[in-house]
Amino acid sequence: NAGVMQNPRHLVRRRGQEARLRCSPMKGHSHVYWYRQLPEEGLKFMVYLQKENIIDESGMPKERFSAEFPKEGPSILRIQQVVRGDSAAYFCASSPWGRDSHEQYFGPGTRLTVT
Amino acid sequence: AQKITQTQPGMFVQEKEAVTLDCTYDTSDPSYGLFWYKQPSSGEMIFLIYQGSYDQQNATEGRYSLNFQKARKSANLVISASQLGDSAMYFCAMREGRGSGGSNYKLTFGKGTLLTVNP
Repeated sequence: NAGVMQNPRHLVRRRGQEARLRCSPMKGHSHVYWYRQLPEEGLKFMVYLQKENIIDESGMPKERFSAEFPKEGPSILRIQQVVRGDSAAYFCASSPWGRDSHEQYFGPGTRLTVT
Repeated sequence: AQKITQTQPGMFVQEKEAVTLDCTYDTSDPSYGLFWYKQPSSGEMIFLIYQGSYDQQNATEGRYSLNFQKARKSANLVISASQLGDSAMYFCAMREGRGSGGSNYKLTFGKGTLLTVNP
């Protein structure tokens, strides 16, 4: 049973470009969470999605950031017009539905560097 | 106010000794869960242990145990018989209650403790 997959593992973008980060949850998991980790900090919640629905986006910056989890395919975190302050590690976590849904399994993260 | 507080930015321990990493939390929700994750230098987040607010006994997973003191709102991680491979950042995290959708288990993390195990 493959774990949570994220790609790319490392992404370099110039200021003003777009960054697309992909997350494939574990098989059978229908909940996806995105977190951001700035250097020397803990992870901070960004958004919680279920298939085709954004449930909680209270941690997302108001501009330039968007997320989706389509019926088919991976969840995508999209950052438009990146700035240096977007440089961080972005982690995706997935969990199952139901009784054990408190368990979150993290992917390896995508390290975004904005030059 | 900080929801999760880890007061030890760094800790040192001798190999084979036990070490306690502190975590205090703040919530008014009666239903919550507490987690510990390990982040080695390679960067991935590794789940270690979970404690539910209604669990009667302290959680244990191999060499890891969680010293849960509900009245004091503390959830310290105890690592017994430290190994060199335990050197890493350790994060305490909490999920509170249920948000919209019935099962929003987003996690709030502390700032972490860097543990170094000396040979």
